[in-house]
Amino acid sequence: EPEVTQTPSHQVTQMGQEVILRCVPISNHLYFYWYRQILGQKVEFLVSFYNNEISEKSEIFDDQFSVERPDGSNFTLKIRSTKLEDSAMYFCASRIRSGTKNIQYFGAGTRLSVL
Amino acid sequence: QKEVEQDPGPLSVPEGAIVSLNCTYSNSAFQYFMWYRQYSRKGPELLMYTYSSGNKEDGRFTAQVDKSSKYISLFIRDSQPSDSATYLCATRLGGTSYGKLTFGQGTILTVHP
Repeated sequence: EPEVTQTPSHQVTQMGQEVILRCVPISNHLYFYWYRQILGQKVEFLVSFYNNEISEKSEIFDDQFSVERPDGSNFTLKIRSTKLEDSAMYFCASRIRSGTKNIQYFGAGTRLSVL
Repeated sequence: QKEVEQDPGPLSVPEGAIVSLNCTYSNSAFQYFMWYRQYSRKGPELLMYTYSSGNKEDGRFTAQVDKSSKYISLFIRDSQPSDSATYLCATRLGGTSYGKLTFGQGTILTVHP
C-alpha cells in the first residue's frame, strides 16, 4: 500500500540552526501538507501546497518557515533559526483530488528536538 | 472558543466493551468529519470519513455526525487491546477549501484484556 515517507525520524539540532524536514508524498497525490504536534497538544495545521505554491498557511507558519517541492517526488519543510519552542513532531500529509472524498494520508512524522 | 473540543481522557475499558468517543465543534461551516487513530510515535491513520450529518459504519466502528448540535461521535464495539491508541477527531471546510484539517485534542484509549 502506498504511504507517505518522512525522513529523518528524529532530528536533533541546536537552537539557531536551520533544519530541513523531508517528505515523499504518495506518488499520484496533488495536495501536500505539513502539520505539527507539540508534545501533549493538538495536531496543528501549518501549510498546504498545491500546484507548486502555498495555497493556505496558518499564523504559525511565519517567515521562519518555508516549503518547497524541489523535484517530482520530494516535499520539504525548512525551519530557519530554530527555537526551543519549535520542538515537536512534524507530520507531512498528502491527498489526491478524487471527487469529494479528499482523504489526507499522514507520514509517521519527524521528531524535532531543539536544544 | 476552541474550534474543535475533545475530552483527552484517558479512557480505560475492559476488552469487549463498547467505547464512545465524542467531539464538539463551533464552526457551522465544517462539512467533513473524520476520525483518525494514532499509535504512539506514529502518524495519524484515517479510520472514518463522513460528510454532513448521519451515521457511517465500518466493521466494529460507527461514526455519527449531528450538525444541528455540532457533535460528532465514534463508537467502537467489541473493543480489543489493539484498539489502544489516541483517537483524534478532525473537521474540514467544504467548498473551495484546500483541505486544512482542524483536529481535536485526542482521546487516549486503553483497552485492557
